[in-house]
Amino acid sequence: RKEVEQDPGPFNVPEGATVAFNCTYSNSASQSFFWYRQDCRKEPKLLMSVYSSGNEDGRFTAQLNRASQYISLLIRDSKLSDSATYLCAADRGNKLVFGAGTILRVKS
Amino acid sequence: GAVVSQHPSWVICKSGTSVKIECRSLDFQATTMFWYRQFPKQSLMLMATSNEGSKATYEQGVEKDKFLINHASLTLSTLTVTSAHPEDSSFYICSAKRGGEQYFGPGTRLTVT
Repeated sequence: RKEVEQDPGPFNVPEGATVAFNCTYSNSASQSFFWYRQDCRKEPKLLMSVYSSGNEDGRFTAQLNRASQYISLLIRDSKLSDSATYLCAADRGNKLVFGAGTILRVKS
Repeated sequence: GAVVSQHPSWVICKSGTSVKIECRSLDFQATTMFWYRQFPKQSLMLMATSNEGSKATYEQGVEKDKFLINHASLTLSTLTVTSAHPEDSSFYICSAKRGGEQYFGPGTRLTVT
C-alpha cells in the first residue's frame, strides 16, 4: 500500500460545479499536509497547507480527518483555469511524501 | 510565496556526459533543499535531501555516486547527473524548505540522447 494515495481521476466537471478530492495517508505520525497544483510540464505550486482540522482560501477548502487518516480538497464554483493535477502530500519527518495526483478537467 | 529558481530549464545531452543542475532560493535561506524526479504521468519521487554544509541523504535505490549533490551555501544546491544515459531522461525538480512548507523550482527537463 502506498503511503499517500489519491484517486487518479480524471474528474470531468462543468464550469461552476463543486468538486471534491480525497487523499488517504497511512503514516499516523504525519502532522502536516499539503495540497499542490501541478500544470502540465510545470512544477507543483503550493495551494494550501493543512495543519489542524482544515483550511479555507476563497473557493478552496481543505479538511483533515485524523481518525480516518484522510485529507480532502473542495473546490467551489470551478473555473476552466482550475484544470490541473492536484497533488496531496504528507510529511514524513523532514520530508514530504506525495500522492500520484488527481486530474481535474473543468469544461465549459 | 517563496521563490526558488532552477537552471537550466531544459538540457539535451549525449549519453555518457555529465549535467549539472542548479537550484537557488532567491528570497530566503534554505538549510534544506530536496531533489525530485518525475517521469511522465507519474508522481514526484524524492531522490535526496540536500543539507547545507553536510552530505546529502539519499533515498533508497538512488545511486549517490551517479547523482552528486552539493549544498555549498544557504541559497544554492546543485545536482550533477554523472555519465547520463537515456533512462536518466526525466523532469528534475528541486524544492526548498521555508518554515514548514516546501516551495518548488520550475524544474529542469533532461533529455539524454
